[in-house]
Amino acid sequence: RKEVEQDPGPFNVPEGATVAFNCTYSNSASQSFFWYRQDCRKEPKLLMSVYSSGNEDGRFTAQLNRASQYISLLIRDSKLSDSATYLCVVNARGGNQFYFGTGTSLTVIP
Amino acid sequence: DGGITQSPKYLFRKEGQNVTLSCEQNLNHDAMYWYRQDPGQGLRLIYYSQIVNDFQKGDIAEGYSVSREKKESFPLTVTSAQKNPTAFYLCASSPAEAGNTIYFGEGSWLTVV
Repeated sequence: RKEVEQDPGPFNVPEGATVAFNCTYSNSASQSFFWYRQDCRKEPKLLMSVYSSGNEDGRFTAQLNRASQYISLLIRDSKLSDSATYLCVVNARGGNQFYFGTGTSLTVIP
Repeated sequence: DGGITQSPKYLFRKEGQNVTLSCEQNLNHDAMYWYRQDPGQGLRLIYYSQIVNDFQKGDIAEGYSVSREKKESFPLTVTSAQKNPTAFYLCASSPAEAGNTIYFGEGSWLTVV
């Protein structure tokens, strides 16, 4: 079983739509959780960390459900510039062990 | 500027040749990593190092070698033993403390011709 699993999509949504991605992780001892954004042919960049209490950054909301072992990313009022691949990242044992989902592709359509 | 610098950005290799990808960071991070990404796929860990003069194999280390002689530097050599080296290579680093995130260089594109 993979450490981190994501629905690869693609998700094609119109501008202004709300879209949500989920990611599940297998190790209940996982400690830290992140969402990264990766544009085509570029490196992944940190979008936001995910905290137990949930956190929001503008149009983006991230939540963690430890009981069900998943994290989610909600994007409200989608913009064309949100088109990218979104990677779920889990730090499974603390320290320096990171596990990556394969990414969910989002295309926002005019 | 602080960050992770990878070079070269684009590299063409003939079959049978070894090539070395450079990775330098000035973030004072203890841990450094090399990942490989194939088109439409996720990141796969090649090697990682948590401290100078020490490194561990990741999931796909065969055909690759690394060194960590300095904290700032973690070069990756793609040897002729790597049968399908054409890919996007990403170097990354992270602080030692638990809960810290991971930062990436801009990547190197390697093509075998």
